[in-house]
Amino acid sequence: QQPVQSPQAVILREGEDAVINCSSSKALYSVHWYRQKHGEAPVFLMILLKGGEQKGHDKISASFNEKKQQSSLYLTASQLSYSGTYFCGTGGSNYKLTFGKGTLLTVNP
Amino acid sequence: DGGITQSPKYLFRKEGQNVTLSCEQNLNHDAMYWYRQDPGQGLRLIYYSQIVNDFQKGDIAEGYSVSREKKESFPLTVTSAQKNPTAFYLCASSIGRAGGSVVPTEAFFGQGTRLTVV
Repeated sequence: QQPVQSPQAVILREGEDAVINCSSSKALYSVHWYRQKHGEAPVFLMILLKGGEQKGHDKISASFNEKKQQSSLYLTASQLSYSGTYFCGTGGSNYKLTFGKGTLLTVNP
Repeated sequence: DGGITQSPKYLFRKEGQNVTLSCEQNLNHDAMYWYRQDPGQGLRLIYYSQIVNDFQKGDIAEGYSVSREKKESFPLTVTSAQKNPTAFYLCASSIGRAGGSVVPTEAFFGQGTRLTVV
């Protein structure tokens, strides 16, 4: 079962912030975040493991609430290069990795 | 350079024919995955494999088959039973982190194969 992402799409001006949410009805062992540019393969951003940790990658960070089975990706001071489709992936036991439908992020000048 | 290779990039087949998509990795990863991507549907898991000679159905396995005879290779066959096979197919691999269960870590994706069935 795919995790649920929201919003489906968001449009920003350069420098604005955005939050993308991901939730699952199943217990999560890990949450993955990827970005895909049009016509390219998804690229790994970060992974969060059980423990409610928060990670950061430049101006992109994420949180993981394992009790609520939710994760959020935070993009601050967005840049044009942030445009793309963001996917949340949920890792179950025994290697299973399931992705959501994605959030299309467009950053305009 | 280590990586994951899918071939071909574009593939055309006539309806009713089986077709096999290739996926090879030299990252020494245990786990390999096949996803199907359609507009608005995200990445849907077809099959995944944890180890050689073992694989599991994903969420949309009907009409597909796989094999895992070597650690490096995980080919996907789209059979004639797949009702709507035209799509973009992505292969991925990852290592695992063992704790109470094995959790997939960073997944590396191939560049994909776009299959068109006419």
